[in-house]
Amino acid sequence: DTAVSQTPKYLVTQMGNDKSIKCEQNLGHDTMYWYKQDSKKFLKIMFSYNNKELIINETVPNRFSPKSPDKAHLNLHINSLELGDSAVYFCASSQQGTTYEQYFGPGTRLTVT
Amino acid sequence: DQQVKQNSPSLSVQEGRISILNCDYTNSMFDYFLWYKKYPAEGPTFLISISSIKDKNEDGRFTVFLNKSAKHLSLHIVPSQPGDSAVYFCAASGFGGGATNKLIFGTGTLLAVQP
Repeated sequence: DTAVSQTPKYLVTQMGNDKSIKCEQNLGHDTMYWYKQDSKKFLKIMFSYNNKELIINETVPNRFSPKSPDKAHLNLHINSLELGDSAVYFCASSQQGTTYEQYFGPGTRLTVT
Repeated sequence: DQQVKQNSPSLSVQEGRISILNCDYTNSMFDYFLWYKKYPAEGPTFLISISSIKDKNEDGRFTVFLNKSAKHLSLHIVPSQPGDSAVYFCAASGFGGGATNKLIFGTGTLLAVQP
């Protein structure tokens, strides 16, 4: 009964490839996020979606494209992967209008070789 | 420009003693602060939070103190237990909550509680 789940947990791929990371939450939340934790352990927001609508889009290369088929899912597609994309990507969710607390998935460690 | 800073990358404490983790911020617009705990290979888990209208919030062994004039907050864990060993992230928000709520995280402090 994992609240926020991500697949895959580990992803190793070569430069230039296209890959996707999936996220699902069963908390009934209406807002979902993608964060990136880089090699310096700095956790930074990339995107947020509310009811399938893009709300936050930080300065992220347009090779990164989030897609939300419904409010329980937020997937992250990355085109033309680069070495600098290697990081841990975390999905999170929260309920709009109630609290600031966000609930995180276990993370996906992406390694680009 | 890092708006939330945790200047101590690591802290070691004896079991049963108090652990104090510190966090500084620069943006006076932040109005809500949170602490997250993270074990290796897991996502951050919410621990405790405080609104800027308060200066203290307590939940069991965990207490967060906020000093707005100094733009400083701290997390006190007492008594510390070996299971508390983890990375602790401070986070701040000032964007109204809800869908525009982006948390700004510090770089974390690794707490090691020695038995």
